[in-house]
Amino acid sequence: QQQVKQSPQSLIVQKGGISIINCAYENTAFDYFPWYQQFPGKGPALLIAIRPDVSEKKEGRFTISFNKSAKQFSLHIMDSQPGDSATYFCAASAGTGANNLFFGTGTRLTVIP
Amino acid sequence: KAGVTQTPRYLIKTRGQQVTLSCSPISGHRSVSWYQQTPGQGLQFLFEYFSETQRNKGNFPGRFSGRQFSNSRSEMNVSTLELGDSALYLCASSLREFAGELFFGEGSRLTVL
Repeated sequence: QQQVKQSPQSLIVQKGGISIINCAYENTAFDYFPWYQQFPGKGPALLIAIRPDVSEKKEGRFTISFNKSAKQFSLHIMDSQPGDSATYFCAASAGTGANNLFFGTGTRLTVIP
Repeated sequence: KAGVTQTPRYLIKTRGQQVTLSCSPISGHRSVSWYQQTPGQGLQFLFEYFSETQRNKGNFPGRFSGRQFSNSRSEMNVSTLELGDSALYLCASSLREFAGELFFGEGSRLTVL
């Protein structure tokens, strides 16, 4: 059973456009929601993370929007660049299991020049 | 500061053999987690170690085991290898337990023939 559902599976965006990736969860005990970026041949790298006490967090071109009542969160990449082409994973964890991340299935983003 | 180092990067084994993978965390990081990444199952948590003690364990059979040394370096072992164990095994370190902020290595790619 997939604890975190992620969509879309793949995404193609024009350079300068906005990339949006969505995730949903069921476990209300989750209290930490990170996004990871993975390039081929590399391990995932933490991009940005949010806790449920805020509805939005922005770091540079990356923004997480969080809707606690809907149990959904999303990643927005503004002004998408070809260098952003990678696989993005959302994840969630809870309390004392914070380092036990439940990952979504990933979104392969391609930014076309 | 050096990142998470995993060795070996690639290895090929045959069914029934066992394998040991090594991970050196970022200096000062005391928590080490292991994840398995496959195309079919995605990223799945194996276990987490902190101060030489296993803190959390994922839903994997007992053939998968690990340990952590006093210098925070960690090893994981898979015994009686099966074809389905072919995967990228990722080690991640964190400054403390329950932090949620994981820094991943580039992984050890295991192929079981």
